[in-house]
Amino acid sequence: QVQLQQSGPGLVKPSQTLSLTCAVSGVSISSDNSYWSWIRQPAGKGLEWIGRIHTRGFTQYNPSLQSRVTISRDTSRNRFFLSLTSVTAADTAIYYCAGIDASGFPFNHWGQGTQVIVSS
Amino acid sequence: DIVLTQSPDSLAVSLGERATINCKSSQNILSRPNNKSPVGWYQQKPGQPPRLLIYWASTRESGVPDRFSASESGTDFTLTISSLQAEDAAVYFCQQYSGLPLTFGQGTRVEIK
Repeated sequence: QVQLQQSGPGLVKPSQTLSLTCAVSGVSISSDNSYWSWIRQPAGKGLEWIGRIHTRGFTQYNPSLQSRVTISRDTSRNRFFLSLTSVTAADTAIYYCAGIDASGFPFNHWGQGTQVIVSS
Repeated sequence: DIVLTQSPDSLAVSLGERATINCKSSQNILSRPNNKSPVGWYQQKPGQPPRLLIYWASTRESGVPDRFSASESGTDFTLTISSLQAEDAAVYFCQQYSGLPLTFGQGTRVEIK
């Protein structure tokens, strides 16, 4: 059974960097033809895809956030990470990590979500 | 970007009645190899991550009750709950995975009347 466990601070100061971790169990993030994504959801609003990392290690980002986002991974610990720089109040949201079983499918594995508030 | 527009924004349906949610894509995203569109539907309850219900526009995910069905016609996608149950009260999102950036509809809230 695939499980995603998120961790990271829930409060980040403006202009600083938001950093989150997603630990994956039940499948290797470096095997098969799959993607591991970060998605966010401001309170009471819709879902915004942030970006993803492929099992081969290449990344793809939403152009709206590309200049501030880095998604990376640690295959030895089967984890992937989100880094979002220069945050503002507009980055306050619930952040989710998510995965798919194979390329060409939507998200069928989700982390529990992390509420991140940007405030001084 | 591929824009998905859902309608209505919210609806209230009596228990046992049908609920229908629409999602319109700004582009035709039909995949020629399988003649289906890469569209998923999710259900989200308060305090929970989204749950995948449907993929490839009309295929039900394993474990999803068969009262949930979906269809497509051109750039229009529909999710139907045939007989609404109390546990179906939630927000429903469509999502396209045809092109980057991946995008979602704005969501439709389904309430019990």
